[in-house]
Amino acid sequence: AQSVTQLGSHVSVSEGALVLLRCNYSSSVPPYLFWYVQYPNQGLQLLLKYTSAATLVKGINGFEAEFKKSETSFHLTKPSAHMSDAAEYFCAVSLTSGTYKYIFGTGTRLKVLA
Amino acid sequence: GAVVSQHPSRVICKSGTSVKIECRSLDFQATTMFWYRQFPKKSLMLMATSNEGSKATYEQGVEKDKFLINHASLTLSTLTVTSAHPEDSSFYICSARDPTGADTQYFGPGTRLTVL
Repeated sequence: AQSVTQLGSHVSVSEGALVLLRCNYSSSVPPYLFWYVQYPNQGLQLLLKYTSAATLVKGINGFEAEFKKSETSFHLTKPSAHMSDAAEYFCAVSLTSGTYKYIFGTGTRLKVLA
Repeated sequence: GAVVSQHPSRVICKSGTSVKIECRSLDFQATTMFWYRQFPKKSLMLMATSNEGSKATYEQGVEKDKFLINHASLTLSTLTVTSAHPEDSSFYICSARDPTGADTQYFGPGTRLTVL
């Protein structure tokens, strides 16, 4: 069975500091992995996705994530946090059963301190 | 590209009434759409998978007679909450699967339902 674990429901960083949001997955087959961002009272916006091509994936707004099979991880990073990055971030894995359904992590709320 | 809209963005209704929420893919055709429910400060819970021209597939524990889903065209899926009660108050989000592959879902902006 596939699953996603996001460590840390809340993360606080100072403006300009490195952002690191953790995501570990469990899958018996090569997964498709996604990071989405949600601003208050809005839907989810795709940040980036891993679909078995390059292991280092660059997304929008300066975010990137690295797929590490040996660590079953897909952590999201950004070198320098902006105040506008404050939001909820969700990691998701796409089920490989052909249903195209996602399993979402529980989310990490990022707070950026001035 | 890949824009998904939802209407309405907010709705308040009285207990016992029915509410319809629309989900549209604006610039692509979506044979598969999904409906999620999100509780405050929680993750998204998949309610059902909506397939164009066929019956929706509901997740375990979701009442299909209460949450009616129709996917009549390649760009529109609707969720009707029938006989709504206060416990149905929630944030409902739809998504549409990118038909070009890679299992990407594009999400709508969500609908905040409040049942009085």
